[in-house]
Amino acid sequence: GAGVSQSPSNKVTEKGKDVELRCDPISGHTALYWYRQSLGQGLEFLIYFQGNSAPDKSGLPSDRFSAERTGGSVSTLTIQRTQQEDSAVYLCASSPLVYPPGNTIYFGEGSWLTVV
Amino acid sequence: KQEVTQIPAALSVPEGENLVLNCSFTDSAIYNLQWFRQDPGKGLTSLLLIQSSQREQTSGRLNASLDKSSGRSTLYIAASQPGDSATYLCAARTDNTDKLIFGTGTRLQVFP
Repeated sequence: GAGVSQSPSNKVTEKGKDVELRCDPISGHTALYWYRQSLGQGLEFLIYFQGNSAPDKSGLPSDRFSAERTGGSVSTLTIQRTQQEDSAVYLCASSPLVYPPGNTIYFGEGSWLTVV
Repeated sequence: KQEVTQIPAALSVPEGENLVLNCSFTDSAIYNLQWFRQDPGKGLTSLLLIQSSQREQTSGRLNASLDKSSGRSTLYIAASQPGDSATYLCAARTDNTDKLIFGTGTRLQVFP
């Protein structure tokens, strides 16, 4: 597709279960980001992939969270042993490698996660 | 560590008013600052980007300014319309990557 695609769009899971969220970036975009947005809050940075460089994982809130990006394209964010505080919208974004960085970042519509 | 805050958190105005949204950042060594719009249940759409060497950017009825020394940016919306109703987010980059640090947003409602 033309934009950043995320799946599932909605996920309800039981506390303690593992979940996987998928992001398909725009073709050719080397940078990929995951953000989390809790109800009524701004976006919280989670992790950033750029090309073949080591990812910036500085925003992951705990070791229950992990992400990988296979083949420089699709990314999966995994949350193990989900907790109720993990309920949020998880937003993925991608951008090409351009300098200076700017208006070329595009966001998906998010995966809404509810942990019950 | 860069921290970004926005005030007000929510704003409700009648159609036609000019309004100002505020964004503050703690680390003045920013690379650039970007304003986004988020509609309910949707992703983000970039509105304006101001490089650190610039003072302002304009697009249609929108004007964004940047004052690095005071750690502030404002988004000015002229002649507001109901279609402007959305959440407005500012985000700062403190290096030449696309890692954005977001504010908490201002939820704007423009009523007819």
